[in-house]
Amino acid sequence: DTGVSQNPRHKITKRGQNVTFRCDPISEHNRLYWYRQTLGQGPEFLTYFQNEAQLEKSRLLSDRFSAERPKGSFSTLEIQRTEQGDSAMYLCASSLTGGTVNTEAFFGQGTRLTVV
Amino acid sequence: GQQLNQSPQSMFIQEGEDVSMNCTSSSIFNTWLWYKQDPGEGPVLLIALYKAGELTSNGRLTAQFGTTRKDSFLNISASIPSDVGIYFCAGQLRGAQKLVFGQGTRLTINP
Repeated sequence: DTGVSQNPRHKITKRGQNVTFRCDPISEHNRLYWYRQTLGQGPEFLTYFQNEAQLEKSRLLSDRFSAERPKGSFSTLEIQRTEQGDSAMYLCASSLTGGTVNTEAFFGQGTRLTVV
Repeated sequence: GQQLNQSPQSMFIQEGEDVSMNCTSSSIFNTWLWYKQDPGEGPVLLIALYKAGELTSNGRLTAQFGTTRKDSFLNISASIPSDVGIYFCAGQLRGAQKLVFGQGTRLTINP
């Protein structure tokens, strides 16, 4: 297993453009999380999925943000009409929960977004 | 919302010294986790704690789940250059799935 994989690693976009990030979790992990991290701060929770169901969304997730996990495997995070304040590292994590198994969250390497 | 206060914010030490950092909260957490993050990378899990008072080691790292369930501590013994990075505590409330992170402790080691 190669761990949580995120693409792209870096994205530079002009203000007002739409961007989409992809996360491939550890295989068989049923939970997938998105966090945002700005410079000098710890990660902040955005949303999480259990299989294909989006079960919780933070108030940080404005209506310009949408996340999907259509088949319960990979997930995408789209930001529409990007603003300079969206510049951050977007982190994906996954975990396995079920029966007697309950793993911690393992993070990907992140996608660094710069809005110019 | 819940906040974690992590201290110190930064540390400058000599190689071989021991390091201590801590995290406190106004809320009671069910789980405490410690992560390390290198520049441009995602956080890597170091230690997970599940019970109040629990003391867990991972090599030269030792972490404790505070007895009040509102704090946690991380110690690094005999620091080496590869310990450089930012250390984050994270807490998980009972029944919650999301992690609440501290602001991080940046560790710099002088050889």
